[in-house]
Amino acid sequence: EVQLVESGGGLVQPGGSLRLSCVPSGFTFSSSWMTWVRQAPGKGLEWVASVKEDGSEKYYVDSVKGRFTISRDNAKKSLYLQMNSLRVDDTAIYYCASLGATRISWCFDYWGQGTLVTVSS
Amino acid sequence: DIVMTQTPLSLSVTPGQPASISCKSSQSLLHSDGKTYFYWYLQKPGQPPQVMIYEVSNRFSGVPDRFSGSGAGTDFTLTISRVEAEDVGVYYCMQTIQFPYTFGQGTKLEIK
Repeated sequence: EVQLVESGGGLVQPGGSLRLSCVPSGFTFSSSWMTWVRQAPGKGLEWVASVKEDGSEKYYVDSVKGRFTISRDNAKKSLYLQMNSLRVDDTAIYYCASLGATRISWCFDYWGQGTLVTVSS
Repeated sequence: DIVMTQTPLSLSVTPGQPASISCKSSQSLLHSDGKTYFYWYLQKPGQPPQVMIYEVSNRFSGVPDRFSGSGAGTDFTLTISRVEAEDVGVYYCMQTIQFPYTFGQGTKLEIK
């Protein structure tokens, strides 16, 4: 059974930092691109960042460039999102998702349940 | 950036009746490899999204055959032939032909 378990969310003040983690199981993590997608309360989905299998390529939405860093540790089978200089509009549920892991198509195919990040003073 | 525009934004349907959602992209999603990188997702209440249709018209594993996708280039449609109660939620279209990957605004489907 495939599982992706996110952790690290919580309440943080504007300007603060958080590090999200995602631990997947049930598929070959080291052979899969990985992604973070977020959803602000009551709003739609927004792709945040993606990282290649070996970590050599990383892509970000403009609104987080220079503040967020996606990374992975294939030995530990873990995905991370380091979030610095957090703003109120970063408040959202952050989902970890695989990208093309099923080898069916280039889409977000496996998803975690998400972790809530609240940025507020 | 590619803008994905969905219509309508909400839909109320009687069980057993059909439903249709449109999505238009600001650029063609047809890649030089011949594939069209367009997808439909459903987010049921309290759950993460799940992929329903991949590459315009292919049902993902486990998706009922009452769901179908059509379209090409920049215009796409999701059709549910006979809506059931379990189909409620928000439907999103999405493109992965180029970064930043983008979603439509979402279409909320409710049952009458």
